[in-house]
Amino acid sequence: DTAVSQTPKYLVTQMGNDKSIKCEQNLGHDTMYWYKQDSKKFLKIMFSYNNKELIINETVPNRFSPKSPDKAHLNLHINSLELGDSAVYFCASSQQPGQGVEKLFFGSGTQLSVL
Amino acid sequence: AQSVAQPEDQVNVAEGNPLTVKCTYSVSGNPYLFWYVQYPNRGLQFLLKYITGDNLVKGSYGFEAEFNKSQTSFHLKKPSALVSDSALYFCAVRPHGSSNTGKLIFGQGTTLQVKP
Repeated sequence: DTAVSQTPKYLVTQMGNDKSIKCEQNLGHDTMYWYKQDSKKFLKIMFSYNNKELIINETVPNRFSPKSPDKAHLNLHINSLELGDSAVYFCASSQQPGQGVEKLFFGSGTQLSVL
Repeated sequence: AQSVAQPEDQVNVAEGNPLTVKCTYSVSGNPYLFWYVQYPNRGLQFLLKYITGDNLVKGSYGFEAEFNKSQTSFHLKKPSALVSDSALYFCAVRPHGSSNTGKLIFGQGTTLQVKP
């Protein structure tokens, strides 16, 4: 069973379109994240949710809107896609932070290509 | 600014030889340090972490890392490399003041190439 699963694996779309990436974890974790990995493999946090509550928003453009319907799901919706949004987006989860356990479990990534 | 640096884009080593992947950090307060590995077309996987205690930390797949406070380093090591260790390795630090967020700052990654 996949612990952190995200769909789709590949997403090719035109500039200006709106798209969503879905993420689900079956680990019973309280906290979920979205990370962006650019073409140089640089990895940066975008958002973090703890029990459906937003706790990190790293100055991401407001075209990006995360939604957490429950603590097992964290979806990422992107409006008006731009060329610079092309990247690999990783979902991750962990036990509740602040308890000394920062072991993140990552999904296998969604490669977004904006044409 | 709190940061992590991995000075080598790529490390090449022959199978059976020891390997070292370097990491230095800059944080205020006591650092929480991590190593993750990314295999092609996969998400990152946790290897090991240093929180406190013994400076030599052992992790998955025979890897270990040595915390050196005076040199602000946390180098990843393995006594005998395997071809299957070839992957992208990330050092990460939990920035000071983020204990309740789970936020990690990642280095730029080092590609390890182990040749038979």
